[in-house]
Parts: sequence; structure tokens; C-alpha cells
Amino acid sequence: KQEVTQIPAALSVPEGENLVLNCSFTDSAIYNLQWFRQDPGKGLTSLLLIQSSQREQTSGRLNASLDKSSGRSTLYIAASQPGDSATYLCAVMGSRETAGNKLTFGGGTRVLVKP
Amino acid sequence: DGGITQSPKYLFRKEGQNVTLSCEQNLNHDAMYWYRQDPGQGLRLIYYSQIVNDFQKGDIAEGYSVSREKKESFPLTVTSAQKNPTAFYLCASKTGGLGPQHFGDGTRLSIL
Repeated sequence: KQEVTQIPAALSVPEGENLVLNCSFTDSAIYNLQWFRQDPGKGLTSLLLIQSSQREQTSGRLNASLDKSSGRSTLYIAASQPGDSATYLCAVMGSRETAGNKLTFGGGTRVLVKP
Repeated sequence: DGGITQSPKYLFRKEGQNVTLSCEQNLNHDAMYWYRQDPGQGLRLIYYSQIVNDFQKGDIAEGYSVSREKKESFPLTVTSAQKNPTAFYLCASKTGGLGPQHFGDGTRLSIL
């Protein structure tokens, strides 16, 4: 069964520092991996989706890498701002069970960017 | 605007009561999903539906029921059999294939 882990559970950095968020998964048989942002009491906002054939995806200050063989993805946020404070979750879509295109989520990393 | 609407935002349940959470989407997505999120944890799949009039259990379906009579709507009923219903419930939808899931703003359910 696929397991997704995000370490650390919480992270605090000063404004301007680059953020590095980690996601690991146990089964490399995946279609894709998705990074989400969640603000307190809100739903999830999709940030980046990386297909299994890709190594990375970029959107503005965000860059996500994927190493499928080692079961790892990293989300980089350059020059962090207080508005980046949120919980970041990663989720994988496994390819062993195709019915429903279901996602398996990590527990999230709660980020605080201090002014 | 296209999106996913969940209502109500907050819901309270009495002992022995069934409650229904609404999820409506106008994105013309085929697939819809219900997740439960407990404090400090990731999301766990309750039920999903890939087409109208068809749905499947997820990892934690016990104590919940769903229907999919219309493409746009996927209501979730939390029954009295669900002994620990206090959580944040999120609805999502996606097109067919391997594209991203899109989420609503969630419903927070508490026990009175």
C-alpha cells in the first residue's frame, strides 16, 4: 500500500530565505505527483502537478522536482514571503490501481515565514 | 466563475442524527471525490464517483453514504453509524485522465 510522508511537519523561516519542502513515497509506480497549498480552514489549492515522465515543473517562484526511482519530490519556494505561510501537502496518483485515479496524501508541512 | 461549492461551511450534528453535506461543481468534471481531514493530518478518501449513478468506497467509507444522480452534484451523508464524525470534509473533482484534482472550500462538522 502506498504511503506518503512529509518531513518536517512544521517549518519556520525568516522572510527572504528559500523554502525546501520534502515529500517521500513508498511505491514508485505512480502516474503523477501533485503539490497543494492549504490556508487555515480552507480547501486545497493546486500548485504544481508533475507527471511521472517529468523531472520538474516550475511556476513563478515555485519549482518542484520528482525522482520517481528514489520515491522523492521536493518543492522549492524562492525568496519566501509572509504570504507563503500555509500548509503544503503532496499527493501521488498510483498506477497500480487505476480505478478512480485516486490520490494518496502526505500529512503536510506547516510553514511559517516570519517578517 | 467555474468552481466547486460546498455547503454549509459549518455543520453541527446531534447524537443519532444523519446530516448531509452538499458538493456542487460547474466545471463539467466527470469524477468527484469526498475526503476527510483530521487536525494536523493529510486527507483520507471516503467515496468517489467516476460517472453518474456510479460510486465506489474509498479507504474510510464506513458510516458514510453518497449518491450521484447528477453530474454536477455529489452529496455526502454522515450517518449516525459514524461514531467520530468531527472533522473537516473536502470535496474534489477532476476531468477524466491524469489531470489535477480541484477542491472546494470544505465543510467543518462538529458534534453538539
